[in-house]
Amino acid sequence: AQKVTQAQTEISVVEKEDVTLDCVYETRDTTYYLFWYKQPPSGELVFLIRRNSFDEQNEISGRYSWNFQKSTSSFNFTITASQVVDSAVYFCALSEATGNQFYFGTGTSLTVIP
Amino acid sequence: NAGVTQTPKFRILKIGQSMTLQCTQDMNHNYMYWYRQDPGMGLKLIYYSVGAGITDKGEVPNGYNVSRSTTEDFPLRLELAAPSQTSVYFCASKRQGGNGNTIYFGEGSWLTVV
Repeated sequence: AQKVTQAQTEISVVEKEDVTLDCVYETRDTTYYLFWYKQPPSGELVFLIRRNSFDEQNEISGRYSWNFQKSTSSFNFTITASQVVDSAVYFCALSEATGNQFYFGTGTSLTVIP
Repeated sequence: NAGVTQTPKFRILKIGQSMTLQCTQDMNHNYMYWYRQDPGMGLKLIYYSVGAGITDKGEVPNGYNVSRSTTEDFPLRLELAAPSQTSVYFCASKRQGGNGNTIYFGEGSWLTVV
């Protein structure tokens, strides 16, 4: 069965701190895709990143970085030097090559305190 | 770039009323989805479509209907609205099936049933 677990429901950090959002997934497929989305207080869902199961290289985009480890079925997201604008709910998602659906975690609500 | 457009953005319904949430995308995506997001919760799939004329149930289809007469449009109909359908509804689309294409969301429709 497919499943995405975001065990951290809410996280609060002080501005400029680093923070890591955890994502653990389950799938039987050997080919799959992982995603992170951001949902700011305004409510829209913004795509951040997509990784495929064959590419375990870490990715960095500005203050954002992602650590994909197949051995632990994890796809963690780190924000470096957090800012108030990073306050949002972050969703991790899984899509399988053999299926038509996306499976979302329950989200992690991040609050960055100025 | 319009992307995925949903209307209305906000709506209050009385119990028992019916309404249709409109969704249109201009990216020529063949896959379209309807999700609901309850407060503090993740996204649950209501219905999805892999192309014009084809629809399928997701995790929580009861109380809803969809149609897909064109590639662009994927309306969601609520029949006999109930308080349990108070939620935020997101329409989404992606280009193809299980090959990792990113799913893009509309801005959401906030529905309250009183």
